[in-house]
Amino acid sequence: VLTQSPGTLSLSPGDRATLSCRASQSVSSAYFVWYQQKCGQAPRVLIYGASIRATGIPDRFSGSGSGTDFTLTVTRLEPEDFAVYYCQWYGGTPLYTFGQGTKLEMK
Amino acid sequence: QVLLQDSGPGLVKPSETLSLTCTVSGAFVSSSSSYYWVWIRQPPGKGLEWIGSLHDNGGIYFDPSLKGRLTISLDTSRTQFSLKLTSVTDADTAVYYCAAYFCTTITCRLDPWGQGTLVTVSS
Repeated sequence: VLTQSPGTLSLSPGDRATLSCRASQSVSSAYFVWYQQKCGQAPRVLIYGASIRATGIPDRFSGSGSGTDFTLTVTRLEPEDFAVYYCQWYGGTPLYTFGQGTKLEMK
Repeated sequence: QVLLQDSGPGLVKPSETLSLTCTVSGAFVSSSSSYYWVWIRQPPGKGLEWIGSLHDNGGIYFDPSLKGRLTISLDTSRTQFSLKLTSVTDADTAVYYCAAYFCTTITCRLDPWGQGTLVTVSS
């Protein structure tokens, strides 16, 4: 199980956002991914391998962590960053496990 | 560049079968490719749920809660893979996404995704 916190994060443009994802068991960083989903769109990869930014993702997004605790940080929030963020891990039960999501909303 | 496009009926009656197809461009869909072929769904207002996938060893894996109702298959043209979910109920109403699980030597991720198809179960 992946547990994301907080469920909702209310911040303003220019703020720093810190999103957490905690696993119920130690997971391999190689298979740990962060996705961003905007309203009405499919999710897209932000960070894979726990800390590698996907192609085209701005450097204000960064991922860190290992074992059971992972963090997605967004420095200097832009208006387009307000969305829902999911963490995901491969290899547990179910095979592809998603966190329940963190909604990043504009204050 | 690999692109995915999912398609299928938007409305299915209760107890009937939901059928969706994912058309892949830029890669061959086979059980021995560099990708795993994955179906994911998202009920309205809720999070993402993996429902099943086809892996490079030929294995087909299902979420246990759906086993017995779910079929995933490859098209012989090797450009499509499909999902069939039988005996649908209201609980199966969701946006259904196909996705490719792409692995390098060190990491993996679900990328790309299809655009998603909203399937509503209603009489």
